[in-house]
Amino acid sequence: GAGVSQSPSNKVTEKGKDVELRCDPISGHTALYWYRQSLGQGLEFLIYFQGNSAPDKSGLPSDRFSAERTGGSVSTLTIQRTQQEDSAVYLCASSLVGTEASPLHFGNGTRLTVT
Amino acid sequence: AQTVTQSQPEMSVQEAETVTLSCTYDTSESDYYLFWYKQPPSRQMILVIRQEAYKQQNATENRFSVNFQKAAKSFSLKISDSQLGDAAMYFCAYVEYGGATNKLIFGTGTLLAVQP
Repeated sequence: GAGVSQSPSNKVTEKGKDVELRCDPISGHTALYWYRQSLGQGLEFLIYFQGNSAPDKSGLPSDRFSAERTGGSVSTLTIQRTQQEDSAVYLCASSLVGTEASPLHFGNGTRLTVT
Repeated sequence: AQTVTQSQPEMSVQEAETVTLSCTYDTSESDYYLFWYKQPPSRQMILVIRQEAYKQQNATENRFSVNFQKAAKSFSLKISDSQLGDAAMYFCAYVEYGGATNKLIFGTGTLLAVQP
């Protein structure tokens, strides 16, 4: 596709359920990032992929959060046993390479609401 | 650790007027990049302008320009001839040059309203 695609656009789930958020990066982009944007907050880094490897997962807030990337393309962010504090917009971004000279392209995000 | 601070949660400007959004940051690094991103209601983050710290000249992109004061660790965004389409949340961001991950560190944002 022309840009970064995220699905679903919105997700409402009950506390305690698991959710999967999907990100389709721009074709050929080797670097992929997940960020979380809570109400009134800036973007909080979660994890970085270079290819299928995740050399930096320092932003994952707890062991309920995990992510994978397959084929150097699609990435899935999984949140297990969701809590109300997980409610946020989850943004995915990709770049051609993982350097500061390569601009990030963001998707439209997934708004997660945990009830 | 690097931090980015945006002290103006909300700003308002009249159409065709000029507005300046403030950003300060803290880092011990000498080489880095600074960015301003715009986030309209669609939620997609759009790169507005980028500044390399080693460049003394302030970056400019059409109606958008920055005032980069390295010693003061200040990076403000000036929007000239404001248009209704400029209404959005604006985020200031920092990335270390030569870092391992190109991980952006964001401020908390400034919500800009443009009055007709």
